[in-house]
Amino acid sequence: AQSVSQHNHHVILSEAASLELGCNYSYGGTVNLFWYVQYPGQHLQLLLKYFSGDPLVKGIKGFEAEFIKSKFSFNLRKPSVQWSDTAEYFCAVTRNNDMRFGAGTRLTVKP
Amino acid sequence: DVKVTQSSRYLVKRTGEKVFLECVQDMDHENMFWYRQDPGLGLRLIYFSYDVKMKEKGDIPEGYSVSREKKERFSLILESASTNQTSMYLCASSLRDTSYNEQFFGPGTRLTVL
Repeated sequence: AQSVSQHNHHVILSEAASLELGCNYSYGGTVNLFWYVQYPGQHLQLLLKYFSGDPLVKGIKGFEAEFIKSKFSFNLRKPSVQWSDTAEYFCAVTRNNDMRFGAGTRLTVKP
Repeated sequence: DVKVTQSSRYLVKRTGEKVFLECVQDMDHENMFWYRQDPGLGLRLIYFSYDVKMKEKGDIPEGYSVSREKKERFSLILESASTNQTSMYLCASSLRDTSYNEQFFGPGTRLTVL
């Protein structure tokens, strides 16, 4: 079965630390990739997405993600996290109108 | 701004009750989705609809049904609630091509079945 894996369930960082959250998928062929974020008490919202072109995509709030096709990966990065980045992050992959979400990674940023 | 609203933020029901969760979107989106969100499992698709009166089963449809009588409204029905249906339920909508269009989510309904 097609799947999306987020290996880190809970990440704890101090402010100003760099962040990288992993996302791997098992789909073959052409895929579209998304990262969503859910801040405490808020609804899920889109951080960034990749369809084609430059594999390094930039999103809101200083986040970026790199698509590495050979590794089936779409890792999320931020050079310097802030306390306000505390949230749950979900990777999602679509192929042929089928969207799958990863299990999510909870990020806690200590002030 | 797209707005997806859900009828309740918190709901407590008893085992065996029939439960209705309502979702309304105001952006004329063709697609609507119901997910449940559980810790460690992420979002799992229950049902989706790509048009009025159309529905497709997702990954975990057992124990649920849906209704889409109007384009803007998508209802999730638990015919006979059970304790293992205690969860956070998320509604989402998108334009027709799901592969390219982001989904917009509602705030969620946290359902507790006692």
